[in-house]
Amino acid sequence: GQNIDQPTEMTATEGAIVQINCTYQTSGFNGLFWYQQHAGEAPTFLSYNVLDGLEEKGRFSSFLSRSKGYSYLLLKELQMKDSASYLCAAASGGSYIPTFGRGTSLIVHP
Amino acid sequence: DSGVTQTPKHLITATGQRVTLRCSPRSGDLSVYWYQQSLDQGLQFLIQYYNGEERAKGNILERFSAQQFPDLHSELNLSSLELGDSALYFCASSAPDRADLNYGYTFGSGTRLTVV
Repeated sequence: GQNIDQPTEMTATEGAIVQINCTYQTSGFNGLFWYQQHAGEAPTFLSYNVLDGLEEKGRFSSFLSRSKGYSYLLLKELQMKDSASYLCAAASGGSYIPTFGRGTSLIVHP
Repeated sequence: DSGVTQTPKHLITATGQRVTLRCSPRSGDLSVYWYQQSLDQGLQFLIQYYNGEERAKGNILERFSAQQFPDLHSELNLSSLELGDSALYFCASSAPDRADLNYGYTFGSGTRLTVV
């Protein structure tokens, strides 16, 4: 089976930087996804990492260490609209179907 | 609009009943995935179809079934409904080329099912 752990909730200040960590245990790892989900809405794709290292996309960056089973999502210059749940998901085995963690609820306050 | 269409948006039904949820994937996508999201379980993978054939199964109950039609739309059938089946049901689609994973899976806006 798979096990994905991420913090339940985090708070941060508008304009600041926040790092959301995710650890995973899986066999046949095929990549790590990050999704953003606002309450009651569809998850939206943020990033996909399959190789070690940092990938940057504007204010959002995602890091992966395959040997450590570890990833993080880095959000810079936080805005109020970044308040949402951030879902870490690992794909494994013969398929690329992501198994999701329970998500980290990020609250950005003024 | 993500390009993945789910209907209906909301559904309220009684225990013991049967409902059908519908999903049309993004144009060009051959795979359809169904997920269930409840407050205490997070997003749980149910089943995947690829070009009309079942490809993978997750934590799908025997009371639930799905199919994908020749036009690639998919339906999720939920029967003998229980209170615990109340959840958001999402459909997602993906492109046939694995290299396109860099663009992720595209989710529809979901169907909120309430069983009373």
